[in-house]
Amino acid sequence: DAKTTQPNSMESNEEEPVHLPCNHSTISGTDYIHWYRQLPSQGPEYVIHGLTSNVNNRMASLAIAEDRKSSTLILHRATLRDAAVYYCILRDRDDKIIFGKGTRLHILP
Amino acid sequence: DTGVSQDPRHKITKRGQNVTFRCDPISEHNRLYWYRQTLGQGPEFLTYFQNEAQLEKSRLLSDRFSAERPKGSFSTLEIQRTEQGDSAMYLCASSVSDRANTEAFFGQGTRLTVV
Repeated sequence: DAKTTQPNSMESNEEEPVHLPCNHSTISGTDYIHWYRQLPSQGPEYVIHGLTSNVNNRMASLAIAEDRKSSTLILHRATLRDAAVYYCILRDRDDKIIFGKGTRLHILP
Repeated sequence: DTGVSQDPRHKITKRGQNVTFRCDPISEHNRLYWYRQTLGQGPEFLTYFQNEAQLEKSRLLSDRFSAERPKGSFSTLEIQRTEQGDSAMYLCASSVSDRANTEAFFGQGTRLTVV
């Protein structure tokens, strides 16, 4: 079973920042926090991952709470192409990747 | 290398027929995963391989389902005696290792329709 909790859906205006929350209160010390997204009619694609420190890449930023029981994916300037389902996943070595239901992000023009 | 490749992209079959899907992972990726996804749901884990060894099968994978990765490269997923409930998108993914800090790459999936 998925070990994370996310809101079912969120809405944001185009060109504004988006903060997608994820709760993972049962996270273990060796779990990495991964985010994937799935655009319509496509397979999931990797967005970002982190362990303890905040992370930035060209797609997004990942803010991890100090106790690691929650994290937030930040899209700095949402575009219509960011409309997708976003999945927050915990990964440990030898662990298969288990998806929850994710957050469906709607971008309003 | 253009990423994870799945074949066919679409398959329509009659109930009771057998179908086989193929997944070609990214070269030198040791780990390979299979998922099933129905409309409005997240991908459901089916099984995964480390090289040619099948590590785990989900309880979702009935005896009608079998997966192989004979040489540790491409993989096949076979469904025997298909049922209408098997209609779904079947996704394959690969990653370079079993390390938790590596990303997985997904294919575009095979959409199965059982009529």
